[in-house]
Amino acid sequence: QVKLLQSGAELVKPGASVKLSCKTSGFTFSTSYMSWLKQVPGPSIEWIGWIYAGDGGTNYNQKFEGKATLTVDKSSSTAYMYLSSLTSEDAAVYFCARTYGGSSYFDYWGQGVMVTVSS
Amino acid sequence: TVLTQSPALAVSPGERITISCRASESVSTLMHWYQQKPGQQPTLLIYLASNLESGVPARFSGSGSGTDFTLTIDPVEADDTATYYCQQTWNDPWTFGGGTKLELK
Repeated sequence: QVKLLQSGAELVKPGASVKLSCKTSGFTFSTSYMSWLKQVPGPSIEWIGWIYAGDGGTNYNQKFEGKATLTVDKSSSTAYMYLSSLTSEDAAVYFCARTYGGSSYFDYWGQGVMVTVSS
Repeated sequence: TVLTQSPALAVSPGERITISCRASESVSTLMHWYQQKPGQQPTLLIYLASNLESGVPARFSGSGSGTDFTLTIDPVEADDTATYYCQQTWNDPWTFGGGTKLELK
């Protein structure tokens, strides 16, 4: 069955960076789109961007340009998101999700990883 | 595209409920619905406005096009306690509604 397993919770200092991982199984990763999303209680869920695992092509929400960088490793069927120059505004739960082709809904989600930004 | 949902509902098991989602501009039928229980990731219920995701009970249904969409649960069961989000993928960036928290009396 389809599984998306995200790395564990992160505690990072302001100004630092973090790389989150999302290891997948149960589907053909190399022809899949993978998205990352941010959830902060109250303001709801934000889509950060997607990456096409086949060629590494990306599409970002303009709000997260310069903040997030999406990459993949096809050999391990793993998606990554690098977040740079973290501030308190970046503290959130981050999800990876498989993105269904052109219709773009998220049919499978990772369990989420909490990122805390604190000195 | 701003998606507006009513913030909360409190209903009794066995009732029929509708959760609305209004878009600030047309999203055609590229509207999807998710259920999120506390401490868990969201799960897909309805895609492309009216298509039931595999494995989701037929008590859930979706309708709408353009700017007005509805998620219906009939009948509501105790296990449906959760927050429900609509999401559009017609306009860039893809956006979510603020969520409707469903509580069972």
